[in-house]
Amino acid sequence: KAGVTQTPRYLIKTRGQQVTLSCSPISGHRSVSWYQQTPGQGLQFLFEYFSETQRNKGNFPGRFSGRQFSNSRSEMNVSTLELGDSALYLCASSHRQGQAGSYEQYFGPGTRLTVT
Amino acid sequence: AQSVTQPDIHITVSEGASLELRCNYSYGATPYLFWYVQSPGQGLQLLLKYFSGDTLVQGIKGFEAEFKRSQSSFNLRKPSVHWSDAAEYFCAVSGNQFYFGTGTSLTVIP
Repeated sequence: KAGVTQTPRYLIKTRGQQVTLSCSPISGHRSVSWYQQTPGQGLQFLFEYFSETQRNKGNFPGRFSGRQFSNSRSEMNVSTLELGDSALYLCASSHRQGQAGSYEQYFGPGTRLTVT
Repeated sequence: AQSVTQPDIHITVSEGASLELRCNYSYGATPYLFWYVQSPGQGLQLLLKYFSGDTLVQGIKGFEAEFKRSQSSFNLRKPSVHWSDAAEYFCAVSGNQFYFGTGTSLTVIP
């Protein structure tokens, strides 16, 4: 079974631009979560989507948004990029159905975003 | 509030030596606990998980972890480290979202 895939793997953008990152979950997984990873802040939860609905959201500004399609693929968008948005963005999928915590997440390789 | 603490930012061990990475969690209910490993420039790979039952869980690559409720700990161990184990290790607890520790960087010296 194919793993979680993320595209593109690397991106360089200019401050003020916007960017869209894509994530395809493991087949059969309907839950997709996004994380931002930086050396200073570690792994921070952005949001989770399940059945095309945002189910949980982390503490990020409204410039960070996402969506999920009927095939469970997900995209996240960052508008008005800032230098501090430079990070590795990780997507994870799981079998999670309800809100219980007994689920494991499988991660993609990430998209490395550099904002100049 | 849920949180995970990994007290050791960086650990260096000799190849063939034993390894223990520490993890302490704070969670109000039954914790679901995980260890992940991340190689440079890569995503996170699940090493092992604890949901319930036997408090000593076995994972991939020869790793194991022991859940100790009284100490709120979930330490990762390996009896003999290989050079390929050099990576970043993350402990996590799940609730309505995952909460990750800040990670422990492992260096293996020959």
